[in-house]
Amino acid sequence: NAGVIQTPRHKVTGKGQEATLWCEPISGHSAVFWYRQTIVQGLEFLTYFRNQAPIDDSGMPKERFSAQMPNQSHSTLKIQSTQPQDSAVYLCASSFDRAEQYFGPGTRLTVL
Amino acid sequence: QQQVRQSPQSLTVWEGETAILNCSYENSAFDYFPWYQQFPGEGPALLIAIRSVSDKKEDGGFTIFFNKREKNLSLHIKDSQPGDSATYFCAARNSGTYQRFGTGTKLQVVP
Repeated sequence: NAGVIQTPRHKVTGKGQEATLWCEPISGHSAVFWYRQTIVQGLEFLTYFRNQAPIDDSGMPKERFSAQMPNQSHSTLKIQSTQPQDSAVYLCASSFDRAEQYFGPGTRLTVL
Repeated sequence: QQQVRQSPQSLTVWEGETAILNCSYENSAFDYFPWYQQFPGEGPALLIAIRSVSDKKEDGGFTIFFNKREKNLSLHIKDSQPGDSATYFCAARNSGTYQRFGTGTKLQVVP
């Protein structure tokens, strides 16, 4: 079992460009979560899916951020028109029963 | 609104000492409290967890003490080793919601 896979591990974009982050959950897990981690804000919940359906996106910024889970094997987080304040480590986690979440290594996004 | 709070923000202990990390929460409906350990460059990893029906949970050198009435809990790391140096996150949830995370405690164990 490879654990949760996130790609790329590092991404550098210019201001105004689009960034797409990928997450492959652990096989058999029904829930996928996205978080953003910064020194200042800590671990911020963004959104989560259960059985591919969006359940709660209350943590997602209202503009420029979107997440999808087109099939049970991957989820994407897309940030349009990236801004320097979007620079963070984006973490994906999956779980079978929502109680124990298994995190991926994260994608470090740097917006210049 | 920070529903889960942790203290101290950073902690330094000597090798062999017991490190005590504190966590408090606001929502009395929370019933599951996991602690996660995170090393630089990695995602958080579940370390130990407790449900609100218990007041203590032990796993190896890690112990959670839980006080439901006071809405706080603590993680004790016995016989701390340099390899325990990491950031520790307390989280809380109740059925039907996602986990809320605290801001973390950065632990340094000095040889």
